[in-house]
Amino acid sequence: EVQLVESGGGLVQPGGSLRLSCAASGFTFSSYSMNWVRQAPGKGLEWVSYISSSSSTIYYADSVKGRFTISRDNAKNSLYLQMNSLRDEDTAVYYCARESYDSSGYDWGQGTLVTVSS
Amino acid sequence: DVVMTQSPLSLPVTLGQPASISCRSSQSLVYSDGNTYLNWFQQRPGQSPRRLIYKVSNRDSGVPDRFSGSGSGTDFTLKISRVEAEDVGVYYCMQGTHWPLTFGPGTKVDIK
Repeated sequence: EVQLVESGGGLVQPGGSLRLSCAASGFTFSSYSMNWVRQAPGKGLEWVSYISSSSSTIYYADSVKGRFTISRDNAKNSLYLQMNSLRDEDTAVYYCARESYDSSGYDWGQGTLVTVSS
Repeated sequence: DVVMTQSPLSLPVTLGQPASISCRSSQSLVYSDGNTYLNWFQQRPGQSPRRLIYKVSNRDSGVPDRFSGSGSGTDFTLKISRVEAEDVGVYYCMQGTHWPLTFGPGTKVDIK
């Protein structure tokens, strides 16, 4: 069974930093591209960042470019999101998601809440 | 960026009746490989999203066959043939053809 478990969320002041982690199991992590997607309270889904299976290709949403860094450690089956210079508008539940465009599924974690507030 | 629009944004339905959600993109979602990377996700209250449909019309494993997807180019539809109580939630279309990935605003389905 595919499992994605995010951690690292919490309350942080504007301008602060957090590092989110996503622990993957139940599939060959090194074979899949991964995404971070966030959802502000009561709002819709917003894509944040993408990393290919080998980390060779990385993309960011304009709203986080230059402030967030996505990375992965295939040996540890883990995905990360380093978030710096956090703003009020970064407050959201952050989900990691396994990307696929075939029958293997597009799986999501349970999310971790990041609250940016003074 | 590709803008995804959905209609309606709110959809009250009667149990056992059909429902239909429209999704339109500001650009064609046909990729250079000939595939159209349009997904549909369901998010039940208090839960993480779950993909229902990939590449326009392919149903994910475990998704009831009352869900179907159709469309092409810039115009797509998710249909529920007979709505059940467990279908309550918000439905999002998402395009994966162009960067950045973009989602529609969501359609909230509830029971009349």
